[in-house]
Amino acid sequence: GENVEQHPSTLSVQEGDSAVIKCTYSDSASNYFPWYKQELGKRPQLIIDIRSNVGEKKDQRIAVTLNKTAKHFSLHITETQPEDSAVYFCAASTSESWGKLQFGAGTQVVVTP
Amino acid sequence: DAMVIQNPRYQVTQFGKPVTLSCSQTLNHNVMYWYQQKSSQAPKLLFHYYDKDFNNEADTPDNFQSRRPNTSFCFLDIRSPGLGDAAMYLCATTRELAGGRETQYFGPGTRLLVL
Repeated sequence: GENVEQHPSTLSVQEGDSAVIKCTYSDSASNYFPWYKQELGKRPQLIIDIRSNVGEKKDQRIAVTLNKTAKHFSLHITETQPEDSAVYFCAASTSESWGKLQFGAGTQVVVTP
Repeated sequence: DAMVIQNPRYQVTQFGKPVTLSCSQTLNHNVMYWYQQKSSQAPKLLFHYYDKDFNNEADTPDNFQSRRPNTSFCFLDIRSPGLGDAAMYLCATTRELAGGRETQYFGPGTRLLVL
């Protein structure tokens, strides 16, 4: 089955700096890669996603890149703000897996003013 | 924002006492999922429904059961909760489309405490 590894497990950045989280996946059939943000005690919320026919996607301060050959994808947050502090999860799924998401272990991001 | 609703938000039960968590959705999505999330861990899929077809994950304990009486509602039954079952339980939904699936939308979760 699919295995998703996520690094780093914790990330501390100064407000205004950029944050990068990296994930690798094992199943070459994976074709959908969402990123979720989860604040303490709240639900995971989708912040951006990318499908395998696209190499990069951007939404304001957030961007995701996908390298299918190397089987890795990354989340980039620019101009970080204190409200970006949360746990971020990457995930991967295939169209044949009923939309089942295989999550990475998560990255605790702390943005210090 | 109330597209996926979970009740109750907090549930306290006693060791071994059956408990039921509920999820409802107003999105008319045909796929519903139940996840278990323990502290500082990623959500772990327990099972999902594709319409009325039930799909159990191989490592989901028999102690966990689910019911989906209609498109809108899905229930998680824990027959004999143990201390290790204390967690946040998340419901999620998605819709099957011709070109694939839409994003999974998560409910707010039910935090279960077992005494």
